[in-house]
Amino acid sequence: AQSVAQPEDQVNVAEGNPLTVKCTYSVSGNPYLFWYVQYPNRGLQFLLKYITGDNLVKGSYGFEAEFNKSQTSFHLKKPSALVSDSALYFCAVRDGRDSWGKLQFGAGTQVVVTP
Amino acid sequence: DSGVTQTPKHLITATGQRVTLRCSPRSGDLSVYWYQQSLDQGLQFLIHYYNGEERAKGNILERFSAQQFPDLHSELNLSSLELGDSALYFCASSPGPGGYNEQFFGPGTRLTVL
Repeated sequence: AQSVAQPEDQVNVAEGNPLTVKCTYSVSGNPYLFWYVQYPNRGLQFLLKYITGDNLVKGSYGFEAEFNKSQTSFHLKKPSALVSDSALYFCAVRDGRDSWGKLQFGAGTQVVVTP
Repeated sequence: DSGVTQTPKHLITATGQRVTLRCSPRSGDLSVYWYQQSLDQGLQFLIHYYNGEERAKGNILERFSAQQFPDLHSELNLSSLELGDSALYFCASSPGPGGYNEQFFGPGTRLTVL
């Protein structure tokens, strides 16, 4: 069974500073990793994914994430945060061996960007 | 706009009642997933349908059931409702069975059980 940990309930950052949201995972096979963002009273929006290949993945709205196999991590990053990045961020993993396997979501990290 | 639609947006009902939530996936997507989001449980996977067939079950109560119709829309039926069923219910869709496909989420249905 796969699992995801987002160790921080909330991340606070000043506008213009770098933003990092941490995610570690556990899966038996090769991991398929995803990041989603949820704005208040909205559904989750897909940001980016890692399936295979380059460990640095670029996604929407200037976000990127780095896959680190040895540390089983997939941290989300943005070089310069905006107030509009304030939202709830979810990391998710699926076991690549199981096409029908469910997508396991982390508990979410609330990002607060202050002006 | 993800292309996934859900109705109704809000639903207020009483304990013991039964409700039906509806989801229309993105055009061409064969997979539909249902999730429940609550403050204490987080985002919980309920069930997955692919091209009309149930493919995976998560933490879905026996009081809950779902189906996917030939036109690929899906319905989630919640019966004998309890206060604890109050939550946001999301539907998501993807082109294929899972794998490397990302899921596209609808705006959700907010269920309040009084």
